[in-house]
Amino acid sequence: TQLLEQSPQFLSIQEGENLTVYCNSSSVFSSLQWYRQEPGEGPVLLVTVVTGGEVKKLKRLTFQFGDARKDSSLHITAAQPGDTGLYLCAGADMEYGNKLVFGAGTILRVKS
Amino acid sequence: DSGVTQTPKHLITATGQRVTLRCSPRSGDLSVYWYQQSLDQGLQFLIQYYNGEERAKGNILERFSAQQFPDLHSELNLSSLELGDSALYFCASSPTGLGNTEAFFGQGTRLTVV
Repeated sequence: TQLLEQSPQFLSIQEGENLTVYCNSSSVFSSLQWYRQEPGEGPVLLVTVVTGGEVKKLKRLTFQFGDARKDSSLHITAAQPGDTGLYLCAGADMEYGNKLVFGAGTILRVKS
Repeated sequence: DSGVTQTPKHLITATGQRVTLRCSPRSGDLSVYWYQQSLDQGLQFLIQYYNGEERAKGNILERFSAQQFPDLHSELNLSSLELGDSALYFCASSPTGLGNTEAFFGQGTRLTVV
């Protein structure tokens, strides 16, 4: 089974600061997805990256897929309190029925 | 609104009991996933169904079972409940369930076993 490791586990920053969250694996994924989850709610899909080296932007969020398709990063510019939440990366485990495997997540808290 | 509906939203039950959680996927989605989320374990994959057939299995306990019906809704059955089964249970759906397919999550069922 392919595993995804996320870092850091917890991040507390001031409004306006920049941050990067990492998602790493020793295995190759055909694609990686990033989700954001708020307390008591289900994860909400933010983006899917498919091609090695791919960069996608969603307003102040920039997602990158590693060249070898083993890792991904999420960069947030000028964080806002509304960005607070749990950020999860996920990949399809091609070795095991394409189940979606999730990282443990990064809890982000943006203070105003 | 993701289009995935889970019921009930909250469930409180006693140890040893059995409960059924229900999920209606997005219209047109053939694949349903079940996940368990607890504070110390994160989002754990339980089982996946595709068009009525079991597609993949995770660390699902023998006390738990699931099925997907012809109308594509799914049920997760949890029996002989233990205190440690208290968690959020999420259902997600996707169009095909193959690689590169995004999953859309319901709002979850919060199960509390007392």
